[in-house]
Amino acid sequence: EVQLVESGGGLVQPGGSLRLSCAASGFSFIDFSINWVRQAPGKGLEWISYISMSGGTIYYADSVKGRFTISRDNAKNSLYLQMSSLTAEDTAVYYCARAVAFDVWGQGTMVTVSS
Amino acid sequence: AVQMTQSPSSLSASVGDRVTITCRASQDIRTDLGWYQQRPGKAPKLLIFAASNLHGGVPSRFSGSGSGSDFTLTISSLQPEDFATYYCGQAYNYPRTFGQGTKVEIK
Repeated sequence: EVQLVESGGGLVQPGGSLRLSCAASGFSFIDFSINWVRQAPGKGLEWISYISMSGGTIYYADSVKGRFTISRDNAKNSLYLQMSSLTAEDTAVYYCARAVAFDVWGQGTMVTVSS
Repeated sequence: AVQMTQSPSSLSASVGDRVTITCRASQDIRTDLGWYQQRPGKAPKLLIFAASNLHGGVPSRFSGSGSGSDFTLTISSLQPEDFATYYCGQAYNYPRTFGQGTKVEIK
């Protein structure tokens, strides 16, 4: 079964850091670009980052640029999102989504930024 | 960034109704558009890619059309499991952007 599974979410204080992971299975991870998309409570979808198959091309939304870092380990079939300088506005469910079409999504991991 | 505008924001419909949701892009995005369904508490799912192509496993009552800046998602006969929120999203460039969503509710 083609699957993406996020982990690493939780409660973090404002200004803190957190590292999310996305584990892929059921397909050749190295053959696909991957994105991070988040959804604040009761709000719509917000794309935040993209990484190409090799990791050589990376994009960020302005809202996270300079604070978040996307990376991948193709040997471990895993995607990561290192988040720092977190604020309440970063509170959201974070999803990883495969490829240009976002054709496969993980179940999401909740990040809550609060004191 | 390309702005995506969906209408309506919400609608009420009955089982068996034909439902149409529209999405407008702020510039020409060719046919680089996807439609996504999100049920409450669940992750989004791809329904349509490249404006009019049905994703694998998606029922044929869903269809998409349009090109350039105007797009439509149609559900030909609404089923109970179709009550959800629908998003359009452009795949033309980065930053990727989504419409604000259309919530389809039971009448």
